[in-house]
Amino acid sequence: AQTVTQSQPEMSVQEAETVTLSCTYDTSESDYYLFWYKQPPSRQMILVIRQEAYKQQNATENRFSVNFQKAAKSFSLKISDSQLGDAAMYFCAYSQLSGSARQLTFGSGTQLTVLP
Amino acid sequence: GAVVSQHPSRVICKSGTSVKIECRSLDFQATTMFWYRQFPKQSLMLMATSNEGSKATYEQGVEKDKFLINHASLTLSTLTVTSAHPEDSSFYICSASPLYEQFFGPGTRLTVL
Repeated sequence: AQTVTQSQPEMSVQEAETVTLSCTYDTSESDYYLFWYKQPPSRQMILVIRQEAYKQQNATENRFSVNFQKAAKSFSLKISDSQLGDAAMYFCAYSQLSGSARQLTFGSGTQLTVLP
Repeated sequence: GAVVSQHPSRVICKSGTSVKIECRSLDFQATTMFWYRQFPKQSLMLMATSNEGSKATYEQGVEKDKFLINHASLTLSTLTVTSAHPEDSSFYICSASPLYEQFFGPGTRLTVL
């Protein structure tokens, strides 16, 4: 079974600074997707960024980028120029492509605080 | 695009009654819908996966007779909590998937008195 581990329950960052959230996963599959979701106080899950495992290039989305290390099964999220609106719970998630496709396995989450 | 709605957003009910939560994909067809439960400051726990026109697949430990799921069309899935008890109070989130990505509804907070 796939597992996703987020070892940082809480993180904080100064506004305008950069922060990196860690995520590791375990799978025997070679093709899969990895995601970072953001859940603000409203509790609406918002997709931040997506990475296809077959792509070597790290995904970027404006101020958000990932460091995808397939061999190490590591998928960290870097937030640059942090803004107050980035404060939220961040979940790393894994989805395999075969079998019960599209089912997401979530990590336990990292609560990010942005300090003014 | 890719909007998922949930109704109601909040519901309070008495112990022993049943509550129905609707999940709709507004601008796409969802072959698969998922239902999650989330406790405060915890991650999302998958309850069941439903495919249009077929029976839902429940995760281990989820009572299928208590949490009835119906996926009658490509845009609508419902979760009915039957004979609700205070321990069923939680935040329920649905998601809809047209392909490999899931789009989430805003969630429903259920409080059972």
